[in-house]
Amino acid sequence: GQSLEQPSEVTAVEGAIVQINCTYQTSGFYGLSWYQQHDGGAPTFLSYNALDGLEETGRFSSFLSRSDSYGYLLLQELQMKDSASYFCAVREKGSWGKLQFGAGTQVVVTP
Amino acid sequence: DVKVTQSSRYLVKRTGEKVFLECVQDMDHENMFWYRQDPGLGLRLIYFSYDVKMKEKGDIPEGYSVSREKKERFSLILESASTNQTSMYLCASSPAAGGGSAFFGQGTRLTVV
Repeated sequence: GQSLEQPSEVTAVEGAIVQINCTYQTSGFYGLSWYQQHDGGAPTFLSYNALDGLEETGRFSSFLSRSDSYGYLLLQELQMKDSASYFCAVREKGSWGKLQFGAGTQVVVTP
Repeated sequence: DVKVTQSSRYLVKRTGEKVFLECVQDMDHENMFWYRQDPGLGLRLIYFSYDVKMKEKGDIPEGYSVSREKKERFSLILESASTNQTSMYLCASSPAAGGGSAFFGQGTRLTVV
């Protein structure tokens, strides 16, 4: 089994940088992924780390360290439209692709 | 673009009714999932399916069942709806070897009265 923990809320101003941490306890997984969900919308896939290290996609970057059971999503040059919930998720090994999510982090961007 | 379509956006049902939530995906994905989302609890997995007629329980399967007779369609069934099943229900699909990428439908807001 597994559990993923992330902060419930983060507030920052436009233009700032925000880091959302995700710590996990799992018996084995293929990789760590991140999703964004705006109020009233569906979660959308942002990034995936299969290996340790940093993956960069525009203003967003994601990092994984398996030895530390830890990952993070970095949001740079924050914009108002980045106000949303962000979820980390793992695909468990030996479970036919079962995808489990954390409870989510609400990011609030202020002017 | 991948499309995951849920049959209803909003649904109101009475306690004790049998409720069917339908989900269809058009990308030939092997995996399909049903989650419920409640404030502060994130996305909790109810059931998932990795192939036609194959299913696995998630973390909160009690009171629910599922059906996958065709690859593109995954149905969630509430055998006897109760008020504590009032929630947002999200369907998702992903390829078997797709890493962490899953694609979600727009959700069904179910209210049980």
